[in-house]
Amino acid sequence: GDSVTQMEGPVTLSEEACLTINCTYTATGYPSLFWYVQYPGEGLQLLLKATKADDKGSNKGFEATYRKETTSFHLEKGSVQVSDSAVYFCALSDNAGGTSYGKLTFGQGTILTVHP
Amino acid sequence: ETGVTQTPRHLVMGMTNKKSLKCEQHLGHNAMYWYKQSAKKPLELMFVYSLEERVENNSVPSRFSPECPNSSHLFLHLHTLQPEDSALYLCASSPQDGRGYNSPLHFGNGTRLTVT
Repeated sequence: GDSVTQMEGPVTLSEEACLTINCTYTATGYPSLFWYVQYPGEGLQLLLKATKADDKGSNKGFEATYRKETTSFHLEKGSVQVSDSAVYFCALSDNAGGTSYGKLTFGQGTILTVHP
Repeated sequence: ETGVTQTPRHLVMGMTNKKSLKCEQHLGHNAMYWYKQSAKKPLELMFVYSLEERVENNSVPSRFSPECPNSSHLFLHLHTLQPEDSALYLCASSPQDGRGYNSPLHFGNGTRLTVT
């Protein structure tokens, strides 16, 4: 079955440091890949997505490139801010079943804390 | 009001109680989902409704009973729960189209359930 594996957290950084959160996946079809972010007390929000190999998703200074050869979708940001403190989830949606709705498989989440 | 709204935000119930969680979306989506978020575990997909029909039930115990009376509303009826059912229950919605697997999910802020 499909699965998503994220790097273990928590991750603690100082403001303006570089961020990388690793994500690898297994899927039976040709998945679309997503990063979601969850701020304290809130639900998940879409951060960025990529729908085919070599696509780069980007938003709010975050980037991730769909690497089919390494089955990876690592999240990166060059300079983090205190406001980026949240839980980050990597997810995939596999079209192998031909579904017309988005069925997401999530990683376990990575807690990021950024200090001033 | 826009987006996905869940009520109540917090719920404490005894094991013999019956309660319901409510979700409402104002995004014009035709697919709705219930996810369970437990500490240190990936999000677990519980149910999927597409065009008001249940299309997925991921081996969820019968003490959880979903209901989707129309495309804008989704309920999760709870009865005789166990303490291990304590978690954050997230509702989500997404468009329904031929490439729905590419569409991101829009989440509510969740209901924090505690079973005593």
